[in-house]
This record gives sequence, C-alpha cells and structure tokens, in this order.
Amino acid sequence: DAKTTQPNSMESNEEEPVHLPCNHSTISGTDYIHWYRQLPSQGPEYVIHGLTSNVNNRMASLAIAEDRKSSTLILHRATLRDAAVYYCILRPSGGYQKVTFGIGTKLQVIP
Amino acid sequence: DTGVSQDPRHKITKRGQNVTFRCDPISEHNRLYWYRQTLGQGPEFLTYFQNEAQLEKSRLLSDRFSAERPKGSFSTLEIQRTEQGDSAMYLCASTSGEVSTDTQYFGPGTRLTVL
Repeated sequence: DAKTTQPNSMESNEEEPVHLPCNHSTISGTDYIHWYRQLPSQGPEYVIHGLTSNVNNRMASLAIAEDRKSSTLILHRATLRDAAVYYCILRPSGGYQKVTFGIGTKLQVIP
Repeated sequence: DTGVSQDPRHKITKRGQNVTFRCDPISEHNRLYWYRQTLGQGPEFLTYFQNEAQLEKSRLLSDRFSAERPKGSFSTLEIQRTEQGDSAMYLCASTSGEVSTDTQYFGPGTRLTVL
C-alpha cells in the first residue's frame, strides 16, 4: 500500500487559514488523494478528494503538488468546529478495496 | 435520518463472552466496510462487502471475528471469546460508485469495552 505521512498535530487561530500537509512520495499514477476528518466522538467524515488538479468544495480546498508526491488541505477560515483529526489517504483504482488510515493530524483551533 | 446507523453504541462485556454488532448502511449503497479504531490511532480496515459477498478480510480479523451481510443490506460483526485487546471503537461505513473516487459514509461507531 502507498503510505502517507502527516504531522501529528497542528494549531491554528480561529478565523485564520489552515494548511494541513500530507506527503505521499510513493503514490502511483492512478491513486486518488482523499481527505477525511474525525470530530471528537464521531465517525470520520469525507472532506475532499483529487487526482492531479487542485479541487475546491464548500468545506475546503485541496492543493496537489505537480509531482503528486505531496498535497495540502486548506481550510480557508478555521472555526472551532474544525477542531478534529484530519486523515490523508490514498485510494487506488483498479479494484483494490482496502483503505489505510494513518494516525492523521490533530488540529487544534484556538479562539 | 438516512445516514449509517450502528447498534449498540456502547457495549461492556466480560472477557470470554461473545458480542455482536449491527450496522445499517445507507439503503442504496452496495459496499460496506468494517473498521476498528483504538485510542489515538486511525481506523484500521477489518473487512469489506460488496452486496452480500465478503471480498476482503484483514489479517487483523482473527478466527474469533466473523462478519456477515445477508441479502446485501445490514451487516453484523461478531466477536467470539472476547479478549481485553478487543476493546476498541468498531466503525462501519457504506458507499457506492467508483472505488477510487467514492465517499465513505461512516456510522457513529460501537464502543466495546472488555473487562
């Protein structure tokens, strides 16, 4: 399985942008990059995904490096409700179903 | 609420007892996943169903663990002869569509405590 590496924790001030990095140097050409987050005492929830181009949705933006060996999840204005563990995972195409979550990045938002 | 539901939300049992958890996926989803999560760790894949067929099992799933998805709807995860190391949050997720781009919808989890 291609692996991802994320910082264990990050802090952000409320209403400031947050950039959460993820390294995936062994990514293959057909792996999609997905981000999920897990709020306290809840199951994970989908945030965003992409392949090569940068992606935007109502929750966040995903910036993917040109060589695809890293990506950054961008929360444009952090709120207290964004305090969660953020997971960067790779989803291979071609029928292989296993999903591997790492430890993720615990984001603390300071009021 | 038409999300993924899990029952029970909490289960406390004594070592050696059997436990069974249930997951009701979103109705139109044909794929269902089970994960286990311990404190401070990300979810670990246990097993996966496409409709009623169990297509992938993790090596984490010892002989004491069994999962079913009869009729391709709800799923059950049974743990026999529970051990203290089985204490964890058990998460269920459902999805459909292309594997590489699908969105997994997670339930709230069942927290198991083995005394």
